[in-house]
Amino acid sequence: DIQMTQSPSSVSASVGDRVTITCRASEGISNYLAWYQQKPGKAPQLLIYTASTLQSGVPSRFSGSRSGTDFTLTISGLQPEDSATYYCQQANTFPWTFGQGTKVDIK
Amino acid sequence: LHLQETGPGLVKPSETLSLTCAVSGDSINSPTYFWGWIRQPPGKGLEWIGDIYHSGSTYYRSSLKSRVTISIDTSKNQLSLKLTSVTPADTAFYYCVRHPAAAGTNWFDSWGQGILVTVSS
Repeated sequence: DIQMTQSPSSVSASVGDRVTITCRASEGISNYLAWYQQKPGKAPQLLIYTASTLQSGVPSRFSGSRSGTDFTLTISGLQPEDSATYYCQQANTFPWTFGQGTKVDIK
Repeated sequence: LHLQETGPGLVKPSETLSLTCAVSGDSINSPTYFWGWIRQPPGKGLEWIGDIYHSGSTYYRSSLKSRVTISIDTSKNQLSLKLTSVTPADTAFYYCVRHPAAAGTNWFDSWGQGILVTVSS
């Protein structure tokens, strides 16, 4: 199975800050990577697919990028409603696998 | 699109977990999507369980393959999950999900609200 390693496991930042979350795949997955946001008590929601394409309705402060097997989710201008756990998922090879999650807190 | 999971919230060890997902707003018979299940133990990460295509073709996580069955009922526009011989390790939120069927588009664009299933005697 392809392992997805996220870092950091948690981050605390202030409103307006830029937050970066990294996800590394254990082997090449092209750009077949998705990011999800999960708020407490809710189901995850798709934020980004194919590494950098924003899902409809997602604010433009969210962005994604790829460098080889390293993927980055950036929140530019953190907002209070962005407090959540974020997961990456490789969409290249069965079985679909997720990173362990990054919890983003607002200071 | 709305996905709604239903089923018992408590299952005894060694018994079978059975869940149903009612789909509204799309046809489960569509060739455009896969339908499936993902679970999440409380406070932990996400684990894909399996997918099913409208043709009935199924794809399962290898570690669960001997215990899991996913099926669809096109007349009711719903899918089902059965997990046999459950243990407390199967305690989790179970989510019904959808993802596009085209190659390389295997991200989950729709999720049910989830249902907590606890395995305990």
